[in-house]
Amino acid sequence: DAGVTQSPTHLIKTRGQQVTLRCSPKSGHDTVSWYQQALGQGPQFIFQYYEEEERQRGNFPDRFSGHQFPNYSSELNVNALLLGDSALYLCASSLAGHEKLFFGSGTQLSVL
Amino acid sequence: SQQGEEDPQALSIQEGENATMNCSYKTSINNLQWYRQNSGRGLVHLILIRSNEREKHSGRLRVTLDTSKKSSSLLITASRAADTASYFCATVRQPNAGNMLTFGGGTRLMVKP
Repeated sequence: DAGVTQSPTHLIKTRGQQVTLRCSPKSGHDTVSWYQQALGQGPQFIFQYYEEEERQRGNFPDRFSGHQFPNYSSELNVNALLLGDSALYLCASSLAGHEKLFFGSGTQLSVL
Repeated sequence: SQQGEEDPQALSIQEGENATMNCSYKTSINNLQWYRQNSGRGLVHLILIRSNEREKHSGRLRVTLDTSKKSSSLLITASRAADTASYFCATVRQPNAGNMLTFGGGTRLMVKP
């Protein structure tokens, strides 16, 4: 049973570029959440997708957008990258109504 | 913004000793969860305690919750070198915000063999 998988594992971009990160949830899970974790800090909630719609959103600008596909996989898009967007981006999946999250290993994004 | 604060920020102990980490939070919660993170990668769920519970055990882990003080503690007994990791508390606020987690800043635990 595959867990949560994220791709790519590492990514280097320059300021102003756009990036797309991908996440496949754990088998049987229908809800995907994205978190940003800056170095030395705890993860911060970006948004959550369920039934292909954004259900909740944290305090992140519109440059951060997402999508959920019919197979429950998800993408996180970040436009007009800033140096401060450098972080570990974590995807977590769950079953709707269940409180335990399963996290992927993350995508390390470096913006130069 | 982060809901909680972990204390201490870093902890170094010898194998076999107990490790205690504390977490404080600001708003009313539905539940509080503890997660572990190895080497800055994915987080692993350790234990969940609901707002109407005071103590919970799982193997070598013991979690307490004091909603009047808005605080929780995680105790790891008989620590092992493999317990070296960062530990985060995370809260789900009231009213129940789905399973949107608000994390603290974490405690970095080092267990020396």
